[in-house]
Amino acid sequence: GENVEQHPSTLSVQEGDSAVIKCTYSDSASNYFPWYKQELGKGPQLIIDIRSNVGEKKDQRIAVTLNKTAKHFSLHITETQPEDSAVYFCAAPSGYSTLTFGKGTMLLVSP
Amino acid sequence: DAGVTQSPTHLIKTRGQQVTLRCSPKSGHDTVSWYQQALGQGPQFIFQYYEEEERQRGNFPDRFSGHQFPNYSSELNVNALLLGDSALYLCASSLALGYDEQYFGPGTRLTVT
Repeated sequence: GENVEQHPSTLSVQEGDSAVIKCTYSDSASNYFPWYKQELGKGPQLIIDIRSNVGEKKDQRIAVTLNKTAKHFSLHITETQPEDSAVYFCAAPSGYSTLTFGKGTMLLVSP
Repeated sequence: DAGVTQSPTHLIKTRGQQVTLRCSPKSGHDTVSWYQQALGQGPQFIFQYYEEEERQRGNFPDRFSGHQFPNYSSELNVNALLLGDSALYLCASSLALGYDEQYFGPGTRLTVT
């Protein structure tokens, strides 16, 4: 089955800095890579995703890049704000409409 | 547009008891998956329901069972609760079987004492 590794486990940045979270996956057949943001006491919220036919996707301050050869994908957040503080999870498909998740990255943005 | 809803929000049970958690999928979605999220970990897939049948199952014992109703809502049942079953239980829905995008509810926090 799919195995997803995520780094770092914690990330502290100053407001306005950029943040990068990296994930690797094991199944070369995987073709869909979502990122979720989970705030304290809430369920994961889908913030951006990418499919294997593109190398990069942007949505305002967030972007995701995919390197299928190396089997890794990354989340980039620019101009970080305190409200970006949360736990971020990467994931990859492990079956029809099911996901395997990384262990999460706790992002702390200090004012 | 109603998102995924779950009930109850919190639950405290004793070892050996049984529990039922409930989920209503996002409007227009017919596929429901359940995940267990232990503290400090990512969600782990339990099972998935489509057309009122269990379609896929993760590495969980048969103490974990479920059901899907004709209106696509779903229940997760856990029998003979163990302390290790304490976790956040998340329900996710997708538009149909085979659609990748999954949308999660707020979860039910289960504490087993």
